[in-house]
Amino acid sequence: TQLLEQSPQFLSIQEGENLTVYCNSSSVFSSLQWYRQEPGEGPVLLVTVVTGGEVKKLKRLTFQFGDARKDSSLHITAAQPGDTGLYLCAGAKSNTGKLIFGQGTTLQVKP
Amino acid sequence: NAGVTQTPKFQVLKTGQSMTLQCAQDMNHNSMYWYRQDPGMGLRLIYYSASEGTTDKGEVPNGYNVSRLNKREFSLRLESAAPSQTSVYFCASKDSPYGYTFGSGTRLTVV
Repeated sequence: TQLLEQSPQFLSIQEGENLTVYCNSSSVFSSLQWYRQEPGEGPVLLVTVVTGGEVKKLKRLTFQFGDARKDSSLHITAAQPGDTGLYLCAGAKSNTGKLIFGQGTTLQVKP
Repeated sequence: NAGVTQTPKFQVLKTGQSMTLQCAQDMNHNSMYWYRQDPGMGLRLIYYSASEGTTDKGEVPNGYNVSRLNKREFSLRLESAAPSQTSVYFCASKDSPYGYTFGSGTRLTVV
């Protein structure tokens, strides 16, 4: 059972375009994290959101946690080829620290 | 650099063979995790250890065993490898309330 649904699964855009990746669930999470993974490497944490409605910005990346803490989005402004990679959302449901991951969104930004 | 170290990086096994994947972290983290990553599936939790001396099953534990040897080391064992266990395996550790540090993965092929 996939508790976190990410969309789209694949995205190929031109440099300079904007994009949004969505992460949706019917479950409530205590926190939600976004990771970026490059080929041959492990995921690297980008951000953690904790409070419903929270918005965090990391340069050209904007992360939002839904008011009900069931969904999140990642918006990239003016995408660059260096943004290419696999983006993963992950929700935490308990104090054990176990994370449930979405399927991932593969982003390709063409020069 | 400090972080999570996984060995080996690549491995090919024949069906029925056994092997142990090693993981060590030098960040003094309490919790450690083993995930597998398959195309279109995101990362799925195999086993985790919330603290030294404890281990618990995750989402997909069948066919695997783990040992939390000490605070630094958390190994994953495949007793009788099957083709369905062909995957990329990631070890991660965590101490803060949020955010995992992942190793660079072990790419395992079972033929």
